[in-house]
Amino acid sequence: DAKTTQPNSMESNEEEPVHLPCNHSTISGTDYIHWYRQLPSQGPEYVIHGLTSNVNNRMASLAIAEDRKSSTLILHRATLRDAAVYYCILSRSWGKLQFGAGTQVVVTP
Amino acid sequence: DTAVSQTPKYLVTQMGNDKSIKCEQNLGHDTMYWYKQDSKKFLKIMFSYNNKELIINETVPNRFSPKSPDKAHLNLHINSLELGDSAVYFCASSQVRPGQGLGAQYFGPGTRLLVL
Repeated sequence: DAKTTQPNSMESNEEEPVHLPCNHSTISGTDYIHWYRQLPSQGPEYVIHGLTSNVNNRMASLAIAEDRKSSTLILHRATLRDAAVYYCILSRSWGKLQFGAGTQVVVTP
Repeated sequence: DTAVSQTPKYLVTQMGNDKSIKCEQNLGHDTMYWYKQDSKKFLKIMFSYNNKELIINETVPNRFSPKSPDKAHLNLHINSLELGDSAVYFCASSQVRPGQGLGAQYFGPGTRLLVL
């Protein structure tokens, strides 16, 4: 399965945007890009996913590079509740999510 | 309303015992999963069932046996528990739509298993 590379951690101030990068240079044409997050002591939570076009929902935006070798998750206004580990995952096999180490997001008041 | 629920939330047991973890989803999804998160926080898929049929079976010891009595339930039975089985086990569900890729997976709160 194709792998993703994310920074170990990122820090942001409250109410400022957060841009979380993800590199996936070996992505295949059928791989979807998924983002999940995990708050402390909770199960992972779906954030957003996309294939080729940029996607927006109430939680975040997903910007996908034209060559699809990288993507960026954008949290428009970080709150303290957004402090979590964010996972960028490629899904090729039906139903299978392979979680990596993710990016720990720290939000400072 | 809890979408994906698991019982028990905590499970402390001795090595060699047999235990079960139960999972239920009220989302009407057709696919359910078991994941294991170890002490290093890596989440790994173990099993997946679609309409009560096993579709994903990762390299998991055969001491672990999933059972899906119906689409809304996926239980995990573990025989002869070992120290290395200590982890957090998460159940999840999703609705797979052909041609639309993998949809959102909804995770339960986890079952924290400690084997002594």
